[in-house]
Amino acid sequence: EEQLLESGGGLVQPGGSLRLSCEASGFTFRDYSMSWVRQAPGKGLEWVSAIRGSGSYTNYADSVRGRFVMSRDNSENTLFLQMSSLRVEDTAVYFCAKELKSGGGYWYFDLWGRGTRVTVSS
Amino acid sequence: QSVLTQPPSMSAAPGQKVTISCSGSRSNIGSNYVSWYQLVPGTAPKLLIYENNKRPSGIPDRFSGSKSGPSATLDITGLQTGDEADYSCGAWDSSLTAMLFGGGTKLSVL
Repeated sequence: EEQLLESGGGLVQPGGSLRLSCEASGFTFRDYSMSWVRQAPGKGLEWVSAIRGSGSYTNYADSVRGRFVMSRDNSENTLFLQMSSLRVEDTAVYFCAKELKSGGGYWYFDLWGRGTRVTVSS
Repeated sequence: QSVLTQPPSMSAAPGQKVTISCSGSRSNIGSNYVSWYQLVPGTAPKLLIYENNKRPSGIPDRFSGSKSGPSATLDITGLQTGDEADYSCGAWDSSLTAMLFGGGTKLSVL
């Protein structure tokens, strides 16, 4: 069974850092582009970042570019999101998501985790 | 960065049909595929529609999607109380080089 499991969320002060992880199972992880998507309280989904299967290419939303770094370890089937200079507005549930088709650049996601909550507050 | 517009809420009775709209522009919906997601608090989002009108396996044919120019719609027929959820559209934006989602539509079945 295909599965994604996020971890690493928590409470952090503004300006702080946090590293999220997403453990994948049930599919050939290295073949698929992955994204992080977040949902702030009472708001809609917001795409955060994406990475190709090889890890050679990443893309970021303007709201996080320069502060967040997405990476992956294909030997461990794990996705990461290193978040720095966190702001109150980064408070959200963070989901990892798998593209439906292998190869990358399809931008629709058939497998999501349940999310990990990040709260940025003093 | 959300430039896909959806109605914030909609409601309909069980058994009825609802159409949720998603309005964008030439650079996103107008030139790229649309996908639709069902969001239930505490659970993983679920892909309902991809490539404008295709259903993943396991999604009933009560759910259908269409696209015309810079706009898209999700139709849900034979509404069930279990369909109460938030629904969000998504599309890649070629100008922004970013994935966009709509603000979500909260569907009530009553």
